[in-house]
Amino acid sequence: DGGITQSPKYLFRKEGQNVTLSCEQNLNHDAMYWYRQDPGQGLRLIYYSQIVNDFQKGDIAEGYSVSREKKESFPLTVTSAQKNPTAFYLCASSISSGGASDTQYFGPGTRLTVL
Amino acid sequence: AQSVTQPDIHITVSEGASLELRCNYSYGATPYLFWYVQSPGQGLQLLLKYFSGDTLVQGIKGFEAEFKRSQSSFNLRKPSVHWSDAAEYFCAVGMFSGGYNKLIFGAGTRLAVHP
Repeated sequence: DGGITQSPKYLFRKEGQNVTLSCEQNLNHDAMYWYRQDPGQGLRLIYYSQIVNDFQKGDIAEGYSVSREKKESFPLTVTSAQKNPTAFYLCASSISSGGASDTQYFGPGTRLTVL
Repeated sequence: AQSVTQPDIHITVSEGASLELRCNYSYGATPYLFWYVQSPGQGLQLLLKYFSGDTLVQGIKGFEAEFKRSQSSFNLRKPSVHWSDAAEYFCAVGMFSGGYNKLIFGAGTRLAVHP
């Protein structure tokens, strides 16, 4: 079955710790994205990558970092610099390199809670 | 500034009743339009999309949406709602903004279905 997997489903972090969220896709998509979702708000773009070994900041990149060493993987690190990291994080991918008409396909999400 | 507005935060309908979820956007050029659905604690699933051509588009699960350029709207409709349609619905617009192509999401409309 082709799709996007995110792990873990739930993640708890103590203040001051970095934590890494996993995102893997076997759709052979070029572009991958990370979004943050907070209650009552739409999704906000954190980072995106149009191709391996390249990524760009989205609208709310501060306190986050990413890497794209393999086409199928796009891990997100939430650093201690992120002041309010408790949220639902969604990973997505699209077949081509980030055009405005690209359909994005989403993973099941990771809920991060800072204790 | 480019934006997407979903005026209704929460809608409740009876099973079997018709449904219309509103979406308005602000964008100077022709947008690419999407509707996604999210079940609690899950990722987003694409319902339908509009790029060009016939302004009435059909999607999965019996949903349809109509693009009205004069009203900058892309409302989602379903003639008869099922209990399994209870979820959160997001309108999104693909556009070039802030130096890159992106999806801008509305804040979502949460649908409750009464038996």
